[in-house]
Amino acid sequence: SAVISQKPSRDICQRGTSLTIQCQVDSQVTMMFWYRQQPGQSLTLIATANQGSEATYESGFVIDKFPISRPNLTFSTLTVSNMSPEDSSIYLCSSAVGLAGDHEQFFGPGTRLTVL
Amino acid sequence: GENVEQHPSTLSVQEGDSAVIKCTYSDSASNYFPWYKQELGKRPQLIIDIRSNVGEKKDQRIAVTLNKTAKHFSLHITETQPEDSAVYFCAASAKNYGQNFVFGPGTRLSVLP
Repeated sequence: SAVISQKPSRDICQRGTSLTIQCQVDSQVTMMFWYRQQPGQSLTLIATANQGSEATYESGFVIDKFPISRPNLTFSTLTVSNMSPEDSSIYLCSSAVGLAGDHEQFFGPGTRLTVL
Repeated sequence: GENVEQHPSTLSVQEGDSAVIKCTYSDSASNYFPWYKQELGKRPQLIIDIRSNVGEKKDQRIAVTLNKTAKHFSLHITETQPEDSAVYFCAASAKNYGQNFVFGPGTRLSVLP
């Protein structure tokens, strides 16, 4: 399985500011994803990070709020823009090898974001 | 779209007993069903998965069963140990959804010594 790291591991931010989270995989992967996990809740997919093209967002998530980059097959960033306290959550990236819908996803350690 | 339900939301068992967690899904196109274990403050870890062409899969103390007709799948943990205490998430995905996982709400398992 791929080894995935995220930076920062945690941050405390002021309302109205933006934070960019980085996700690095130690090998080339086909697919990368960004999830949000609110305290005590399950994981919700924000978007699929597509290499060389715009990310694919899930219902309820928009590019202006969560811009995503994926410049190559091992790296992606998620920006949480114009933050409010409701954005306080854990943000996780994951990666998968393979094109079809039946391959394992492995998760990064997560970024714990607190917005004051 | 896909909807995944999971029961129970909390489960307490005595050490050595078995634990069973059940999930149902709504989309008959789903064909891959992973289970993740998440300890407090840690990332979700894949513990077992099953694909739609298989009815059962076992890995030591952990097994997963799948009933495609009824659209449900279950996680079975035998001889539970305190280190099995965690939150367990099931998920479902379908190829035509580009590998997007839909997760269940989770089950908090407590193994009492």
